[in-house]
Parts: sequence; C-alpha cells; structure tokens
Amino acid sequence: DSGVTQTPKHLITATGQRVTLRCSPRSGDLSVYWYQQSLDQGLQFLIQYYNGEERAKGNILERFSAQQFPDLHSELNLSSLELGDSALYFCASSVLAGGFETQYFGPGTRLLVL
Amino acid sequence: GQQLNQSPQSMFIQEGEDVSMNCTSSSIFNTWLWYKQDPGEGPVLLIALYKAGELTSNGRLTAQFGITRKDSFLNISASIPSDVGIYFCAGPFLDSGTYKYIFGTGTRLKVLA
Repeated sequence: DSGVTQTPKHLITATGQRVTLRCSPRSGDLSVYWYQQSLDQGLQFLIQYYNGEERAKGNILERFSAQQFPDLHSELNLSSLELGDSALYFCASSVLAGGFETQYFGPGTRLLVL
Repeated sequence: GQQLNQSPQSMFIQEGEDVSMNCTSSSIFNTWLWYKQDPGEGPVLLIALYKAGELTSNGRLTAQFGITRKDSFLNISASIPSDVGIYFCAGPFLDSGTYKYIFGTGTRLKVLA
C-alpha cells in the first residue's frame, strides 16, 4: 500500500459525459501528479500540482482539467469524453516539487467510455 | 520529444533464470527510477538511482546508473513466478523550466514455472 488513494476504482460512462477522478496523496506529500495509461501502453504524464498550484503540464487535453485543494487532495476532471479516453488514470504523490524525489502511485481509476 | 526506450519489449523466462533489461535515452538523466506494475495496479517503486555509476540492490533486484548517464540497467536474479509484470524505467527531465517525469515503454516479463 503506497498510501495514495484514488476513487472511484472503476468508472463506466458514455461519450460526451463528464467525470471527476479523486486522489488523496500520502500524508505529508505536497505534490500530486496525474498520469494516463492506455491499454498496454506506458504512462503519459498529464499534469502536476504542488501545494495547490499547477507546477508542470504534460500532454493534457484541453477537455481535461485538474486542481489541488487546500487539504492537498486533487481532482482530475474529464469532459466531453470520447472513446479514446478509456484508460487507467493514476495519481502519484511526492514530498517535493519535482526533479529528484520519487513518486508513489495510487491504485488507479479504470475509466471505460462506451 | 523525450523518450525512454526499454529493451527487450517482452520476455518469457524459466523460473530460476536471471533477467536483464535496460533503458536508454538520447539525453542525460540525473535520476533513474525503476518501477514494477502488476496487472490492474499502480506502479511500485523498486529502485532509485541518483549518481552515475551507482549500483543499488533491493533483494534479488540490482540496478545500475550508466556512466554515460543516458542509460540504466535492471537485473533480476533467480526469477520467481511473482516477478511477472511490467517493468518501467522513469526519470525527470527539464522541460521549459520545470521537471517532468517520463516513463519508458516498459518490459513485460513472464515467468514460466
């Protein structure tokens, strides 16, 4: 158990809909990262927040957005969903802002768009 | 863009055999991380390397930070069935003034009992 929690574990929805994925980092970690992993693919970095502020942005679509709240939990919002958005979405957390510290991953949310 | 290439892409081995895999980059990295991902689970950190030439072990796993700083290697000795999974290398790289993590393409390991 990494200490990072994600909800829900599974999510099934239809095209055009909007969903929210939630992540609670490890106690004391200020950074939250979001990744997308499509079937049999590697992890693609989406976005990072550090202590409530956006820190780095990767290959995140404009239809996707995220935020980190004062209690440090984070939400990833996916809107106007398309079939190709079906994937595993992972959240990871770390203590520092980025660079050399390691990240600890949650169990993921499996999203299926029908 | 930045890529981390892992080799081999997949491998079948017999239980008890040693396994070697590597990760290469066109750019220099200052940190190399090795993760294992079980099916349907999140990646779990195995070993972190912070210095060129560093050799670090974690049980039957040994990883090395290449001296060129453009590659890293992971070895698993005396493999067992629970070693099955996908092994990813990862590292932070500087992009537009901020560090972003990039993950390799993965090596899928299957162990035959």
